[in-house]
Amino acid sequence: EPEVTQTPSHQVTQMGQEVILRCVPISNHLYFYWYRQILGQKVEFLVSFYNNEISEKSEIFDDQFSVERPDGSNFTLKIRSTKLEDSAMYFCASSAGDTQYFGPGTRLTVL
Amino acid sequence: AQRVTQPEKLLSVFKGAPVELKCNYSYSGSPELFWYVQYSRQRLQLLLRHISRESIKGFTADLNKGETSFHLKKPFAQEEDSAMYYCALRGKGGSARQLTFGSGTQLTVLP
Repeated sequence: EPEVTQTPSHQVTQMGQEVILRCVPISNHLYFYWYRQILGQKVEFLVSFYNNEISEKSEIFDDQFSVERPDGSNFTLKIRSTKLEDSAMYFCASSAGDTQYFGPGTRLTVL
Repeated sequence: AQRVTQPEKLLSVFKGAPVELKCNYSYSGSPELFWYVQYSRQRLQLLLRHISRESIKGFTADLNKGETSFHLKKPFAQEEDSAMYYCALRGKGGSARQLTFGSGTQLTVLP
């Protein structure tokens, strides 16, 4: 069964550095999402992407964040200048319409 | 604004006992409700959608619009049901729509 994959599984970075989190959605899906979960807190929506543009974004998704689908398979989340409070689990999801399928997550640790 | 509340952070039941995980929502309109499950060290996976009105792994959930609830139930819990359960809501309109998650309930089924 096809699955969403994410790399790396764990990323450690210094505050102020740029990070790129990568996702490979399920191949025939058209809608892509990023969510994050700070330790002990809820899973929170960041952004959705469809037809090569952002469909929705939350208040969390400020100018430090950007998303891109650079080729036919990858979907990336870039954090330009990481802050301590960006430490979280980042989940990518994709859907063909209704059900969203989640990747295993990338744990980002900002030191 | 849409909100999902799961009042129980932790829930323990004995094997064979009935289990009910509570979920209440706030949304001005007719939402779509979902239950996602996360087994230890695995990804978030869809368990149930209210639209499909199906039973998965013995679990059912009924949308009660009057009480704005979508409680998850199983008549006889099994040890393999131990996991984190998240209730999620999606508003109507368009396909690339964000999920709003509750804070989750950690279910432990004791032998």
